[in-house]
Amino acid sequence: DVKVTQSSRYLVKRTGEKVFLECVQDMDHENMFWYRQDPGLGLRLIYFSYDVKMKEKGDIPEGYSVSREKKERFSLILESASTNQTSMYLCASNGQVPPQHFGDGTRLSIL
Amino acid sequence: AQSVTQPDIHITVSEGASLELRCNYSYGATPYLFWYVQSPGQGLQLLLKYFSGDTLVQGIKGFEAEFKRSQSSFNLRKPSVHWSDAAEYFCAVGAQGGYNKLIFGAGTRLAVHP
Repeated sequence: DVKVTQSSRYLVKRTGEKVFLECVQDMDHENMFWYRQDPGLGLRLIYFSYDVKMKEKGDIPEGYSVSREKKERFSLILESASTNQTSMYLCASNGQVPPQHFGDGTRLSIL
Repeated sequence: AQSVTQPDIHITVSEGASLELRCNYSYGATPYLFWYVQSPGQGLQLLLKYFSGDTLVQGIKGFEAEFKRSQSSFNLRKPSVHWSDAAEYFCAVGAQGGYNKLIFGAGTRLAVHP
């Protein structure tokens, strides 16, 4: 079974902090994704990566950056956290063919 | 532009009743289609997928979905709902080829009455 592991289930940070969300997959997948989930809005793509050190902006990249130094790890970075970034963050991965496999999510609160 | 519409935000059914969750998509070519389920506080679990071929696809937990090209729909069905089916359900559409990006609907929250 594919395993996508997000480092934290719950995280509380303060406004202005630099926040790192980590995601690791164990299936040697090329593609990895970061989504944000808010009630009534479904999942919105923040960034995705199709190879090591390669990244593409999704639909809502503002205020976020990403890093993929190793194939199995994809990090989401909030450069200066703001209260409107309080949300559920989901990481996913897939190979050359769908579907995407999801982690359990990180519920992030920015105070 | 690609889009996915789930017209029902909330649905409540009685345990043992049948269920149909609606999904309509807008996409220029033949898409990949997916249904995912999310239990509270969890990530998304794949229920079923459609790539090509038979338009009626079977998934896990007794769910099935039917692809209707003429209606741009991919509705999810279950003949008899169990209390454990209470969750949020997401329909998603993906492009064939490329990086396998998905577009998600806003979700339908299912409540099950005993």
